[in-house]
Amino acid sequence: QSVLTQPPSVSAAPGRKVTISCSGGSSNIGNNYVCWYQQFPGTAPKLLIYDDNKRPSGIPDRFSGSKSDTSATLDITGLQTGDEADYYCSTWDSSLSAVVFGGGTKLTVL
Amino acid sequence: EEQVVESGGGLVQPGGSLRLSCAASGFTFGTHGMNWVRQAPGKGLEWISHISVITTDVFYADSVRGRFTISRDNAKNSLYLQMNGLRDEDTAVYYCARGPVWNFDLWGRGTLVTVSS
Repeated sequence: QSVLTQPPSVSAAPGRKVTISCSGGSSNIGNNYVCWYQQFPGTAPKLLIYDDNKRPSGIPDRFSGSKSDTSATLDITGLQTGDEADYYCSTWDSSLSAVVFGGGTKLTVL
Repeated sequence: EEQVVESGGGLVQPGGSLRLSCAASGFTFGTHGMNWVRQAPGKGLEWISHISVITTDVFYADSVRGRFTISRDNAKNSLYLQMNGLRDEDTAVYYCARGPVWNFDLWGRGTLVTVSS
């Protein structure tokens, strides 16, 4: 059971927008930065969003992050078939003194 | 090019030990915190351990505390993970990842550790 809760899967048509949620608590999301990773099968994860809503160099602005209280959200607009991947949220948990990940969300672009 | 490359994975019997290494290049290793993250077959990501720049801060996941030891050699641009008392559930791809505890911006390709008799 992950400390951070994500939906196991989401889907949407090409060109549409999808939202992936990440729910936590006051000891993690509520008081620490959230980041998001993208992982394609058989490859290493890639940092997609950091510090709640910042994008590393090279990440398209179709990807955006936000946070409110103890929940975070990853929005992907203008969906492309190449966006099909697993997405993970992550943050520091001050009570556990540990990095925590969500269980991951599999995105399918129909 | 900035990169980190893991090595040292393999097949080990339950109760055995293994030492993973992560070689960094293309960036100033000694100015970055480093982490180990693992992924069991078909499962999600699990953070294992973090070590700060000058090793003042070291953290472990409950699942490995007391069995695994993280270390680094800044002169050799290398990160290590000593794994003792290995269990079946430690079977996973182990990734080396650069960054503070709140985000990892550079990942290696991983090294597979299989614990089986």
